[in-house]
Amino acid sequence: EADIYQTPRYLVIGTGKKITLECSQTMGHDKMYWYQQDPGMELHLIHYSYGVNSTEKGDLSSESTVSRIRTEHFPLTLESARPSHTSQYLCASSRVLSLHEQYFGPGTRLTVT
Amino acid sequence: AQSVAQPEDQVNVAEGNPLTVKCTYSVSGNPYLFWYVQYPNRGLQFLLKYITGDNLVKGSYGFEAEFNKSQTSFHLKKPSALVSDSALYFCAVSLGGATNKLIFGTGTLLAVQP
Repeated sequence: EADIYQTPRYLVIGTGKKITLECSQTMGHDKMYWYQQDPGMELHLIHYSYGVNSTEKGDLSSESTVSRIRTEHFPLTLESARPSHTSQYLCASSRVLSLHEQYFGPGTRLTVT
Repeated sequence: AQSVAQPEDQVNVAEGNPLTVKCTYSVSGNPYLFWYVQYPNRGLQFLLKYITGDNLVKGSYGFEAEFNKSQTSFHLKKPSALVSDSALYFCAVSLGGATNKLIFGTGTLLAVQP
């Protein structure tokens, strides 16, 4: 098992609430990623980071935001949750080169009521 | 456009029989190819990758994959399936460059019957 952690594992929250999904890794990886996995199980990249103070939007448009203040920490925030945000969110990290595999956290399953 | 296709939503196989999960890709340049497995309520686990060299790549849990450049395929195989292999399998291709972004296939559910 890779040393990448996500909390909470499950979250049920009402519409309009602000939430932050936590992701931490202890491997010293520079690159980190957030994926959204929809009910059809397909994964979509929503955010990534090259390193501290570097964040980019991914291929799927998302209303969430991310920050990278420390190498090991890559939290994702939704300012105002909506039912359309209901999904599984997976965090991953990797070493520098594109031939290096990504290591995934266990995921956060978010339900917005 | 870069893409990965997994043509089968589900593969059914009896325990002890060989299994194949198919993957084809479309990328420019030389691809880096990956297979991941996802068990229920878990994140993805890395199985194996092809970077260069030998077309047959061996990975975790007895899995292997064969890279075929002419057919642009990277099929996952195992000689003898186990019930515990039942899971969701994803093929992915790296776009290379600085981002290390992966393009994932849609996933194939492998069901191994006892």
